[in-house]
Amino acid sequence: DSGVTQTPKHLITATGQRVTLRCSPRSGDLSVYWYQQSLDQGLQFLIHYYNGEERAKGNILERFSAQQFPDLHSELNLSSLELGDSALYFCASSVVSSGGVYNEQFFGPGTRLTVL
Amino acid sequence: AQKVTQAQTEISVVEKEDVTLDCVYETRDTTYYLFWYKQPPSGELVFLIRRNSFDEQNEISGRYSWNFQKSTSSFNFTITASQVVDSAVYFCALSRPDLSIQGAQKLVFGQGTRLTINP
Repeated sequence: DSGVTQTPKHLITATGQRVTLRCSPRSGDLSVYWYQQSLDQGLQFLIHYYNGEERAKGNILERFSAQQFPDLHSELNLSSLELGDSALYFCASSVVSSGGVYNEQFFGPGTRLTVL
Repeated sequence: AQKVTQAQTEISVVEKEDVTLDCVYETRDTTYYLFWYKQPPSGELVFLIRRNSFDEQNEISGRYSWNFQKSTSSFNFTITASQVVDSAVYFCALSRPDLSIQGAQKLVFGQGTRLTINP
């Protein structure tokens, strides 16, 4: 158990709909990263939040958005869903080291999204 | 730009054989981090190891060992005396530091190697 939780585990929805994926990082971790895993694209970085602020964006569609709340949990919102959005969505968290040494990212179990 | 290549898409061996998973990376950074993650059939991503660019020491953890060679930009992973439970997809990944937050930027993943250990 990595200590990172994601809900829901599975989500089945229809094209055109909107869903929200939730992630709770490990206790004390300020950074939350979102990744998408699909068969054709592999594991792709979507977005990084640090202590409530957006830090970096990757290959994230305009239909997707995210935020990190004061309690550090994060939500990924996917709207106007298309068949191609079906994928496994992971969040990961990492702690900031006061010694300046980077600590690894620990991943949640993922949310499997199926768009029908 | 950063890039990770795992040329072996699938490997299948018989239990107790040794197996090496290759990883080649590209980066222009002088400081970077390399990782291996395991994704078993259950789907979660399990962290195995991190290696910093300034530390070229090889590492051994039980049946697992890692060979980091900056001269060839490779970070290979060897499983000795493989077991059925080692069957999984293994990902090599690369990251660069984000000094302003004393953390790191995104992980750039290779395409993964599916390892099947047959009894």
